[in-house]
Amino acid sequence: QVQLVQSGADMRKPGASVKVSCKTSGYTFTDRYIHWVRQAPGQGLQWMGWINPNSGDTRSAQNFEGRVTMTRDTAINTAYLELTRLKSDDTAVYYCVVARFSFDFWGQGTLVTVSS
Amino acid sequence: EIVLTQSPATLSVSPGDRATLSCRASQSIRSDLAWYQQIPGQPPRLLIYGASTRATGIPARFSGSGSGTEFTLTISSLQSEDCAVYYCQQYYNWPPYTFGQGTKVDIK
Repeated sequence: QVQLVQSGADMRKPGASVKVSCKTSGYTFTDRYIHWVRQAPGQGLQWMGWINPNSGDTRSAQNFEGRVTMTRDTAINTAYLELTRLKSDDTAVYYCVVARFSFDFWGQGTLVTVSS
Repeated sequence: EIVLTQSPATLSVSPGDRATLSCRASQSIRSDLAWYQQIPGQPPRLLIYGASTRATGIPARFSGSGSGTEFTLTISSLQSEDCAVYYCQQYYNWPPYTFGQGTKVDIK
């Protein structure tokens, strides 16, 4: 079965960076795009971007361009999201998602707290 | 950007009754719409894709319908475990992929 296991909760100060990992199993890593979606406390879902694990190509939402970097390591079937220049309103749960068209399988989420 | 508007914001339904959730798109998205269920403290779970196809393992009491700009998720006989927030999402025109703001379903 498809499983996505994300790194643990993290706390950062404003202006810092954070990197979240997403280790996948149960399918061929290069066959499906991986998306990143975040959810601020008590709020809805916001799409951040995707990475094609086969080519390494990425596409991010305009809101995050210049601050987000998505990478992958095909040797260990793991995707990464790095967000820089953190602000307090970046406090959210960050999800990795395996998708073909709809968002089929979700990681458990990683809480990132940005606070001074 | 395609905007999805869900209604109502909150729906209170008695156990065993039908729940009907709506999602309206700001422009036609054909049938490129999915529904997700999010139980508090858990990640979202895919229920429906292609507007009407149940995902693997989803009970038959969940059904989706619609195309173009108007979509509906129906829970035919509400169970206690169905209390959750339900989101619609379009994957027709991106970036960005967009979600509705959610409908919270609880037990009356």
